[in-house]
Amino acid sequence: GAVVSQHPSRVICKSGTSVKIECRSLDFQATTMFWYRQFPKQSLMLMATSNEGSKATYEQGVEKDKFLINHASLTLSTLTVTSAHPEDSSFYICSAPWGAGTEAFFGQGTRLTVV
Amino acid sequence: QKEVEQNSGPLSVPEGAIASLNCTYSDRVSQSFFWYRQYSGKSPELIMSIYSNGDKEDGRFTAQLNKASQYVSLLIRDSQPSDSATYLCAVYPAGNNRKLIWGLGTSLAVNP
Repeated sequence: GAVVSQHPSRVICKSGTSVKIECRSLDFQATTMFWYRQFPKQSLMLMATSNEGSKATYEQGVEKDKFLINHASLTLSTLTVTSAHPEDSSFYICSAPWGAGTEAFFGQGTRLTVV
Repeated sequence: QKEVEQNSGPLSVPEGAIASLNCTYSDRVSQSFFWYRQYSGKSPELIMSIYSNGDKEDGRFTAQLNKASQYVSLLIRDSQPSDSATYLCAVYPAGNNRKLIWGLGTSLAVNP
């Protein structure tokens, strides 16, 4: 299957700082990528859809000024958690569909801990 | 509201048994269906995709799709303790073939 690489896998940051998470499609071009958040023992929650060359689309209740998404190229999307707080601690996962209507492949996920 | 529903479980089966995981979806004209496996603390990985009615087999896994009943299932034969994980069902709704709709997942425990 296709490979999606996410970095870093773990990050610990101080409250009030910003953290950038990268998601790369290694062997295919992804005009669309998705960012999810998952709390322990809960299901995936879609945060936003990242679109190459245009603004991201955020799900209801997700603060776009707090979770900045940039999809600068066909292989890279970034999520920046700005002014992080302990309640932002979570598992963040990106995914990219292989093509329209086909399976999505996931990055390894990023465990964010805000202290 | 387009929905995908799964029994949260936990589903517990003995090693070597067949595990049967079920998923129903509300959008009748959905076309693409997927099963993902997620181990605790890891991201989901694709197990099976199915697009047409009937069965699709891959090793110990069989996906079954019945569009008339809006039902998709995953069978795991000869279950192993390493199959213990949460299984997520995902569907593309009609008119949007980019954003998957996810079930909440079924937790499977395979007991040695």
